[in-house]
Amino acid sequence: DQQVKQNSPSLSVQEGRISILNCDYTNSMFDYFLWYKKYPAEGPTFLISISSIKDKNEDGRFTVFLNKSAKHLSLHIVPSQPGDSAVYFCAALTGNQFYFGTGTSLTVIP
Amino acid sequence: DAGVIQSPRHEVTEMGQEVTLRCKPISGHDYLFWYRQTMMRGLELLIYFNNNVPIDDSGMPEDRFSAKMPNASFSTLKIQPSEPRDSAVYFCASSWTGPTGELFFGEGSRLTVL
Repeated sequence: DQQVKQNSPSLSVQEGRISILNCDYTNSMFDYFLWYKKYPAEGPTFLISISSIKDKNEDGRFTVFLNKSAKHLSLHIVPSQPGDSAVYFCAALTGNQFYFGTGTSLTVIP
Repeated sequence: DAGVIQSPRHEVTEMGQEVTLRCKPISGHDYLFWYRQTMMRGLELLIYFNNNVPIDDSGMPEDRFSAKMPNASFSTLKIQPSEPRDSAVYFCASSWTGPTGELFFGEGSRLTVL
């Protein structure tokens, strides 16, 4: 059973606008949540994370929001740039076990 | 550091053949993970090691899959015999013990079983 779900397989956004990627999880024991970005023919790379004791973490154009009551995580990219086009995976961590979602393919249209 | 190194990058084989995928983690990392990426299930954890010891192999699909880590700088994932449904990209990742537990991934090994 998928403990981390990304229900939108793809998303298209105009350059300069906001991209919002969503993630839902089922396990309340998760300690940390992470977002990874993956370009074709490359391995995923770490983007941003948030501890379960926080509700927001910001790093430049990237902000992650955590709503524990709803078991929902989102990544906001503002403003979106063509170089942001990639597959984004959310991941949840408990102990040293990572659980990944199925990914959302983001296309930023110039 | 060179990062996590995987080989081969691409492997095409016929059903029934043995496949061995290799991984060199980042020096100093305590943990090594093997993941499989498919369209349907995303990134699935197959097995992970801590200090060369397998900790959780519950994600290994069946007995045809085996993984070893003979030392801190090398791990293998073997599939024998391979089947077409094993076709996927296999990623190795490593990390050190830390609060955020960031994973560092290799570039993956794309396996095609005909």
